[in-house]
Amino acid sequence: QKEVEQNSGPLSVPEGAIASLNCTYSDRGSQSFFWYRQYSGKSPELIMFIYSNGDKEDGRFTAQLNKASQYVSLLIRDSQPSDSATYLCAVNAGYSTLTFGKGTMLLVSP
Amino acid sequence: GAGVSQSPRYKVTKRGQDVALRCDPISGHVSLYWYRQALGQGPEFLTYFNYEAQQDKSGLPNDRFSAERPEGSISTLTIQRTEQRDSAMYRCASSHPDLSYNEQFFGPGTRLTVL
Repeated sequence: QKEVEQNSGPLSVPEGAIASLNCTYSDRGSQSFFWYRQYSGKSPELIMFIYSNGDKEDGRFTAQLNKASQYVSLLIRDSQPSDSATYLCAVNAGYSTLTFGKGTMLLVSP
Repeated sequence: GAGVSQSPRYKVTKRGQDVALRCDPISGHVSLYWYRQALGQGPEFLTYFNYEAQQDKSGLPNDRFSAERPEGSISTLTIQRTEQRDSAMYRCASSHPDLSYNEQFFGPGTRLTVL
């Protein structure tokens, strides 16, 4: 059973702070890792993906992957109220389907 | 089209009726996925296609659920004899083979309510 675990939150951070979102996965064969942002009532939107150990930066977002620890994280720098959403971690064990976590709700207060 | 489209956006039906949900993927995307998302949960895989071939249907809950993609483009997810537990958001996603890591892009979803 492939599992992806996330803290459901909410994670509350003040505007301008760094938000750190974490995800663990059970399948050691997992090859690629995705972060989706989902605003309330909307569809998931892909914001980052990572496939090798280390960090990957894209603007205010940094994805971090540690395959030995089976751990993926997403850092959001200079958090804005518009970043308030649910962040879904998804894992792909091959060129096929994604297994999603339940998501972490992020609340950024002005 | 510019993005994945799904229709209808909302569907209310009575228990025991059949429903058909439609997905039109991004132009040129050969892989198409169906997911179901309950409130407060992440999307849960149902089935997927490469072109017209159904590659994996292991996530379909039971034999009342079926899907097809006869011409390798538009797909239909059919639920027969609907039950109240089928009420959920049904999401479709597509991806392109040139995307090395199977990045999937989601449509707006169909909200199914079974009364």
